[in-house]
Amino acid sequence: DVKVTQSSRYLVKRTGEKVFLECVQDMDHENMFWYRQDPGLGLRLIYFSYDVKMKEKGDIPEGYSVSREKKERFSLILESASTNQTSMYLCASNPGAGELHCEQYFGPGTRLTVT
Amino acid sequence: AQRVTQPEKLLSVFKGAPVELKCNYSYSGSPELFWYVQYSRQRLQLLLRHISRESIKGFTADLNKGETSFHLKKPFAQEEDSAMYYCALSTEAAGNKLTFGGGTRVLVKP
Repeated sequence: DVKVTQSSRYLVKRTGEKVFLECVQDMDHENMFWYRQDPGLGLRLIYFSYDVKMKEKGDIPEGYSVSREKKERFSLILESASTNQTSMYLCASNPGAGELHCEQYFGPGTRLTVT
Repeated sequence: AQRVTQPEKLLSVFKGAPVELKCNYSYSGSPELFWYVQYSRQRLQLLLRHISRESIKGFTADLNKGETSFHLKKPFAQEEDSAMYYCALSTEAAGNKLTFGGGTRVLVKP
């Protein structure tokens, strides 16, 4: 059974703080993704990674960066948090290079509030 | 650019009534379409994908390339179907990344 875990369920940070969101998957998946989930906007892809140390921008990468030093871990970094980054953040993974169309497995989400 | 539209933000139906969630997409090639579901306090999970042509929990969805639609249907809604539903699209042109619609919240009343 695929397990995707995220380090925090809830986070409250101040404007300007550097924020780290961590995601770990235990199924040796090649691909990992970070989305933000907002009412009415659905899920929007921030960044994804198809291999260790490899990353590509998604649809809304501005204000974010990522790190993938190990296959099982994908970190999302907010260099200087702003109030418009208040959102639910979802991590996902799926197997196999070239199989991005396969089912994605999601973590439970981190609700980030920036005050 | 590819796009997915779910025109209804909220669908409210009575138990036992049919339910149809609309999904329209914009893409001229051959897409792969999915429905994902998120029940209360649970993580987002795949409900079904068009390539499988299967019925999951009584739900079916048919890809209509002429109308560029992938509507989700269930003839008799149950209270446990209350959830948030997302239609998603992947294409070779976008490197097979998923593009999600805005989501439809379904509320099944007793």
